[in-house]
Amino acid sequence: DVKVTQSSRYLVKRTGEKVFLECVQDMDHENMFWYRQDPGLGLRLIYFSYDVKMKEKGDIPEGYSVSREKKERFSLILESASTNQTSMYLCASSPPGGNIQYFGAGTRLSVL
Amino acid sequence: ILNVEQSPQSLHVQEGDSTNFTCSFPSSNFYALHWYRWETAKSPEALFVMTLNGDEKKKGRISATLNTKEGYSYLYIKGSQPEDSATYLCAFTSDSNYQLIWGAGTKLIIKP
Repeated sequence: DVKVTQSSRYLVKRTGEKVFLECVQDMDHENMFWYRQDPGLGLRLIYFSYDVKMKEKGDIPEGYSVSREKKERFSLILESASTNQTSMYLCASSPPGGNIQYFGAGTRLSVL
Repeated sequence: ILNVEQSPQSLHVQEGDSTNFTCSFPSSNFYALHWYRWETAKSPEALFVMTLNGDEKKKGRISATLNTKEGYSYLYIKGSQPEDSATYLCAFTSDSNYQLIWGAGTKLIIKP
């Protein structure tokens, strides 16, 4: 059974803190994605990666960075958390070629 | 700017009734249209990926149709059950890249 695991379901952080959201997939997928989901909006792509050590900006990369040192792990980093980064964060992975994406259960981050 | 619209935003349906909802997407440079189901506290899961105009796909009581010329897809649920309660997301991808552009979803609530 395919599995994408996000390290935390709920997270509460303070403004200015550095925050790490971890995502691990066990399907040997090349592609990995970080989205955020806010009420009334579709999933918005923050960053994605097509291979180890590769990263591409999505639609809303400002205030975020990512790391992909190993194929199975894709980390999202909030360098200095702000209240407008309070959101649901979803990680996904897929094989190459625009195929189905497999999602983690999400991390609901609150920045106070 | 590519935009994916889903309607309605939410829907209450009596158990046993059938229902349908819509996803509208750009009709140019079409590559694929995805439908996902996202149940509360779970990961979004793919239902269908559709690529050809006129495609119809079926999974149990759920089916979907695709019209790429006019840019819409319908999702149908026959004989709704409580376990169908979820947010249904559609996502479009163009032939220029494989990134998914997401609609905001239709939240379906089945009333027993």
